Amino acid sequence: SQTIHQWPATLVQPVGSPLSLECTVEGTSNPNLYWYRQAAGRGLQLLFYSVGIGQISSEVPQNLSASRPQDRQFILSSKKLLLSDSGFYLCAWWGKSVGDEQFFGPGTRLTVL
Amino acid sequence: QQQVKQSPQSLIVQKGGISIINCAYENTAFDYFPWYQQFPGKGPALLIAIRPDVSEKKEGRFTISFNKSAKQFSLHIMDSQPGDSATYFCAASIRGLTGGGNKLTFGTGTQLKVEL
Repeated sequence: SQTIHQWPATLVQPVGSPLSLECTVEGTSNPNLYWYRQAAGRGLQLLFYSVGIGQISSEVPQNLSASRPQDRQFILSSKKLLLSDSGFYLCAWWGKSVGDEQFFGPGTRLTVL
Repeated sequence: QQQVKQSPQSLIVQKGGISIINCAYENTAFDYFPWYQQFPGKGPALLIAIRPDVSEKKEGRFTISFNKSAKQFSLHIMDSQPGDSATYFCAASIRGLTGGGNKLTFGTGTQLKVEL
């Protein structure tokens, strides 16, 4: 069965510090991978998605970047965090076969102080 | 045209009652409509999904009703329980016939509270 992991689970970072959030998927190959951000009490904002290694599409221009160095690894980064980067970051995967559906990871709670 | 409008924003239902959440879309190319359930501090979990070739899909106490001509779909939770208290998101996507792997357009979410 497929499993998606995110770490860390929680993170408190000062303004101006770098960021690296990691997402890995097990039990599937060549999935589509997604990064979402959810502000407190708000909806889901798609930040980036990837259809394969090294292929990244950005949905919203911002202070963040994403990379996919391996088939089942998706990384969200920032060189200098802003207060507005605080939120709940969710990774998701979606297989490319007919009938596949999108599944979310457990999320990372980021607080920028 | 890519929006999915979800209502109500919040909903309070008595235990044992029926919870109804509605969504409307504009893009007639959408052909996949999932619902996600999210508890505080957790990632959204896929609850139930429907394709437009059927008008209704039921899984346990959860039912999706789909009205293609009105471009609307809704989630019905029968015999609502306190454990159903969560945020519910509808979504839509174009999956086509060649497989999954597209972008979901999400509604803004509905906070459901089921009271004793």
